[in-house]
Amino acid sequence: GQQVMQIPQYQHVQEGEDFTTYCNSSTTLSNIQWYKQRPGGHPVFLIQLVKSGEVKKQKRLTFQFGEAKKNSSLHITATQTTDVGTYFCAGGDGANSKLTFGKGITLSVRP
Amino acid sequence: GAGVSQSPRYKVAKRGQDVALRCDPISGHVSLFWYQQALGQGPEFLTYFQNEAQLDKSGLPSDRFFAERPEGSVSTLKIQRTQQEDSAVYLCASTLDHYNEQFFGPGTRLTVL
Repeated sequence: GQQVMQIPQYQHVQEGEDFTTYCNSSTTLSNIQWYKQRPGGHPVFLIQLVKSGEVKKQKRLTFQFGEAKKNSSLHITATQTTDVGTYFCAGGDGANSKLTFGKGITLSVRP
Repeated sequence: GAGVSQSPRYKVAKRGQDVALRCDPISGHVSLFWYQQALGQGPEFLTYFQNEAQLDKSGLPSDRFFAERPEGSVSTLKIQRTQQEDSAVYLCASTLDHYNEQFFGPGTRLTVL
């Protein structure tokens, strides 16, 4: 079945540093979504990418969908302590509405 | 309500007990999803409803798990004869349409002793 991989699972950065994480799928995706989960909280939707090579920006966050629609990236410019949390990518295969989530990357930011 | 609600928020069950977890989706949302999230893992798909129809239940781990949404709004996930490996957070999410962003509830943390 479809697998979505996020490696590594943890990353620590100094406040103000940039941060980039990647998400890779074993199959071609119809769309990819990114979610953020704060400690003790539930996943909160950030963005959806649908088109090959699509790039979307939200303030300091930049999301990209790969040309082959099998990978995606999240880049945070000048991290802040409010960026702390676990970021999940979730891939849709288009055949149904099911999303396959990666294991997530937990970001910690040193002030 | 303003968001997806789930009850109870916490449930402790003795091994072998049956439990029922409730999800109230956002009013008007057609699609409803159940996920299981183990500690340190991403949400894993369990089942999906479009209105009252259960269109995909491929993620249910065993026949002890059963979900329903009889009137196309509130949904219940039932786990019979709970086992320790069922301990996890059970998340419910709803969407206006199946292709859109999913709005998650706060989850029910189930602990099976």
